[in-house]
Amino acid sequence: GESVGLHLPTLSVQEGDNSIINCAYSNSASDYFIWYKQESGKGPQFIIDIRSNMDKRQGQRVTVLLNKTVKHLSLQIAATQPGDSAVYFCAENIIGTYKYIFGTGTRLKVLA
Amino acid sequence: DADVTQTPRNRITKTGKRIMLECSQTKGHDRMYWYRQDPGLGLRLIYYSFDVKDINKGEISDGYSVSRQAQAKFSLSLESAIPNQTALYFCATSDQDREQETQYFGPGTRLLVL
Repeated sequence: GESVGLHLPTLSVQEGDNSIINCAYSNSASDYFIWYKQESGKGPQFIIDIRSNMDKRQGQRVTVLLNKTVKHLSLQIAATQPGDSAVYFCAENIIGTYKYIFGTGTRLKVLA
Repeated sequence: DADVTQTPRNRITKTGKRIMLECSQTKGHDRMYWYRQDPGLGLRLIYYSFDVKDINKGEISDGYSVSRQAQAKFSLSLESAIPNQTALYFCATSDQDREQETQYFGPGTRLLVL
């Protein structure tokens, strides 16, 4: 099984409900943020990104919110489905640099 | 992501053995990275390469070496494996021609050092 995420916080939601996953980022100079989804046995998969000149960005069923004042990022998943079950983590970056800081992640469990 | 492939996907080895993990990409990106992932920790950068002639140490390079054989290939070696190198290893790529260097990851290699 997946060894990553043994000690991760877990969010359990009912299928069809909305999910909100939070991330506190560390560097106030960071101006680019990504949410990744990591399913068991797979590599991190890009979901959505946002630049610091925005506070909200929407994708298909997902929305990312950015609050630079408190260095907080959230991922909202609408109408959560069983296939959304995974570990989600955020990543922060300063545009123009290669270096990323990755969060430890939250495990999302979708209950049928 | 099929654009970034890693081999092997799983490997068990013994302490002291030399092993190589390989990464190939078809995204045409110049920049490639090796990370390790451990339970409870975020991804940590081992080595990165901006092109074939440019290789740099990341935050946890001790005990590892790399080779950039071509733009599309970046290999990670453990010269003498030790148990605390047991982890998930990910290769990633990014496109330096874009202002935002989104990193795209391979499927990972699960390594167990006995």
